[in-house]
Amino acid sequence: QKEVEQNSGPLSVPEGAIASLNCTYSDRGSQSFFWYRQYSGKSPELIMFIYSNGDKEDGRFTAQLNKASQYVSLLIRDSQPSDSATYLCAVTWDSSYKLIFGSGTRLLVRP
Amino acid sequence: KAGVTQTPRYLIKTRGQQVTLSCSPISGHRSVSWYQQTPGQGLQFLFEYFSETQRNKGNFPGRFSGRQFSNSRSEMNVSTLELGDSALYLCASSLVATRIPYGYTFGSGTRLTVV
Repeated sequence: QKEVEQNSGPLSVPEGAIASLNCTYSDRGSQSFFWYRQYSGKSPELIMFIYSNGDKEDGRFTAQLNKASQYVSLLIRDSQPSDSATYLCAVTWDSSYKLIFGSGTRLLVRP
Repeated sequence: KAGVTQTPRYLIKTRGQQVTLSCSPISGHRSVSWYQQTPGQGLQFLFEYFSETQRNKGNFPGRFSGRQFSNSRSEMNVSTLELGDSALYLCASSLVATRIPYGYTFGSGTRLTVV
């Protein structure tokens, strides 16, 4: 059974701080990793995807992948109150186009 | 560039009825997936279509079905509705550039309420 796990939170950080969101997955055959942001009442919005070990940066966001330890993380620098949302980690396996989602981590950025 | 369009946005149905939801992917996107989101189960994969063929299917009963048309538009159908089918149904489309999924863009969803 392929699983993706996230701490449900909430993770509370002050404005301007770095928010660190973590995700672990169960199977080494995993291939692609995605971070989505979902505001309450809205649909998920793709933030980043990463395929290779290491870091990938896009603006204030950095995704980090460590396949040996089976985790992927998302760092949000200079957190803003508008970043307050649920962050969903998703994984695909075996070149499949099937996304397996974690339950999401709720992030609260305090002004 | 238009995003993923889902219709209708809201739907109320009675137990035992059937429902059809529609999804128009981003132009050029050929892979269309459907997901169910509920507070208790989170986001769960229903099925994925590419070139009118179902390539992947999630662990849902046979009451849930779908199809994709030659223009990549997709529909999903739920027959004999149950109260537990009340959920947000999300469609996502992807540009099939390589074997590795390139990224998925979600539509706004259809909120289905079964009474």
